[in-house]
Amino acid sequence: DGGITQSPKYLFRKEGQNVTLSCEQNLNHDAMYWYRQDPGQGLRLIYYSQIVNDFQKGDIAEGYSVSREKKESFPLTVTSAQKNPTAFYLCASSRPGQREIAKNIQYFGAGTRLSVL
Amino acid sequence: AQKVTQAQTEISVVEKEDVTLDCVYETRDTTYYLFWYKQPPSGELVFLIRRNSFDEQNEISGRYSWNFQKSTSSFNFTITASQVVDSAVYFCALSEASGGFKTIFGAGTRLFVKA
Repeated sequence: DGGITQSPKYLFRKEGQNVTLSCEQNLNHDAMYWYRQDPGQGLRLIYYSQIVNDFQKGDIAEGYSVSREKKESFPLTVTSAQKNPTAFYLCASSRPGQREIAKNIQYFGAGTRLSVL
Repeated sequence: AQKVTQAQTEISVVEKEDVTLDCVYETRDTTYYLFWYKQPPSGELVFLIRRNSFDEQNEISGRYSWNFQKSTSSFNFTITASQVVDSAVYFCALSEASGGFKTIFGAGTRLFVKA
């Protein structure tokens, strides 16, 4: 079945530790996204990538880093610089057309819930 | 600036009741797209509908219907004869043609449907 797989489902971070959240898709989509979801705040964009080896900062990129070495994979690292990492993290992908990028529908993974020990 | 407001934080209804989820948006673009997504307890968001700014026709899909009114900048979602399986968080979202890949999500409305 085609879809987006996020792992792990739950993750715990110790103070000062970097942790990496995995996101893999087999939908053959070019664009991938990372969102952070906090209670009552909707989804906020952390990073997005339009193609392999290219990515752009979203609204809340500080304390996070990403890579896009393969089309299928877009891992997110939560660094020790992110002082409030506890949240639900969602990965998404889309296959935007050459025009009208804004109309593209996003497909989401089941999320990773990150907590601080 | 673009903005999406879902004023209803939580709604609780009894099964078979009709329920409307409100969505008000702000944008300066003339070309934009509005979306509704459903987030069940499993966590992943599921796409429900997309509307472009030039199409104000209402849409009905089974028990779901959407009312898009540019005059009031609203894109409301109605569930008819609600069911327990409709319990979820529902997000309204906006993408502007000038905004590229950026999608703005509302804060979401949590719907509880009681048996």
